[in-house]
Parts: sequence; structure tokens; C-alpha cells
Amino acid sequence: KAGVTQTPRYLIKTRGQQVTLSCSPISGHRSVSWYQQTPGQGLQFLFEYFSETQRNKGNFPGRFSGRQFSNSRSEMNVSTLELGDSALYLCASRGDLGVGTEAFFGQGTRLTVV
Amino acid sequence: AQTVTQSQPEMSVQEAETVTLSCTYDTSESNYYLFWYKQPPSRQMILVIRQEAYKQQNATENRFSVNFQKAAKSFSLKISDSQLGDTAMYFCAFKSNTGNQFYFGTGTSLTVIP
Repeated sequence: KAGVTQTPRYLIKTRGQQVTLSCSPISGHRSVSWYQQTPGQGLQFLFEYFSETQRNKGNFPGRFSGRQFSNSRSEMNVSTLELGDSALYLCASRGDLGVGTEAFFGQGTRLTVV
Repeated sequence: AQTVTQSQPEMSVQEAETVTLSCTYDTSESNYYLFWYKQPPSRQMILVIRQEAYKQQNATENRFSVNFQKAAKSFSLKISDSQLGDTAMYFCAFKSNTGNQFYFGTGTSLTVIP
């Protein structure tokens, strides 16, 4: 069974640009969450999608948005990039086996804003 | 709101020795799940162990075990017979029974010394 796939692995963007990151969950998983990981801050929750609907959202500005497609693939978009957006962005998928089901993570997209 | 605290930013251990990573959390909920994830240099977050709060028995997975103290809201990870491959960042995570979001600590960087 293929794991969670995130593309691209690395990205360098300029301040003010926008970026779109992609995540393909494990086959059969309908829940996809996004996290921002920075040194010292750990993982900060961005949002979660389930069956194309955003179920939960973290405390990030509106420049951060996402969506989920009918095949459960998800995209995350960041507009008007700032230097502080440089981070590792992790995507996680979960199955429907229960509330305690663990999250399976992708290898992340390393975004550098210059 | 839930918070997870890992007070040890860095730790080291000699190969074959035992090490304990600390984690405390704050929640007003009575039913929840706790996790330890490992993130090696490859960046892939891997589940190490999971504990259901309603279970008094501490979870064990091979060389990994936890000391779950619900009243103290403490969830430490013990790694026995440490191996070089255990070198990684370790994150403690909380998930409530009602929500879909994982709350992570800031991580502990563990180095196993040969």
C-alpha cells in the first residue's frame, strides 16, 4: 500500500509569490490534515479536510487555504508569501477506523521563501 | 485548548542504554489518545507508540514503552537497548476523543552515541 505522497519535496519562492503544495493520501483515507513545522514551534495545525469539506482550521491567516478533491487528494495554497512562511509543510492522512486512529505522514514539502 | 509540552529539547544516550523522554499535556477532557512519533533525518514522521487514555495499562511496542500517568497528565517514552537508528526527533502528540486535530509538542532531538 502506497504511503502519503507530497509534491514537490523542495520549493524556493520569492516574497509576494504564491505557492501550491499537493498531497495524495493513503488509498481509502478520506481525512487529510496539513501541518506547518518550524524549529522551536514544532508542528502547528493548519486545517483538516474530510470528503472534500474543511472540518477544522488552525490559527493561520487567510493567506493559507486548502481544498480536497473527490479522490481525497488535497492541495494547500499560500498566497503573498512572507519570509516567515519558510517551513516544512507536512500532510497527514487518517482512515475511518475510529477516533483514535493514528495519522500517517508524508515526507513533507520544504518551502523556502527568499 | 489542549497543550503538549516537551521540556527536553535535546538528549543523548549511549548505544544499548536506556533513555526516557518526557511529555506533559494539559486538557480538561477525560477521553483522549496520546502518541509518540519519530522523525528521522529523512523527515518521515513514523508512529512509535499509541496510548488510549481509558486504558490504565501502559502501552509497549518492542523496545519502546510508555509511562502514562493520567492524573499527573504525564506521558513519557522509554527506549530500551538504544540503537543508532533511534537517532531522530521525537514528538509527543495528543488527540481528543471528539476532535480531529492532533496537538504536538515541540519535540526532543535524541542522539544515540556509538
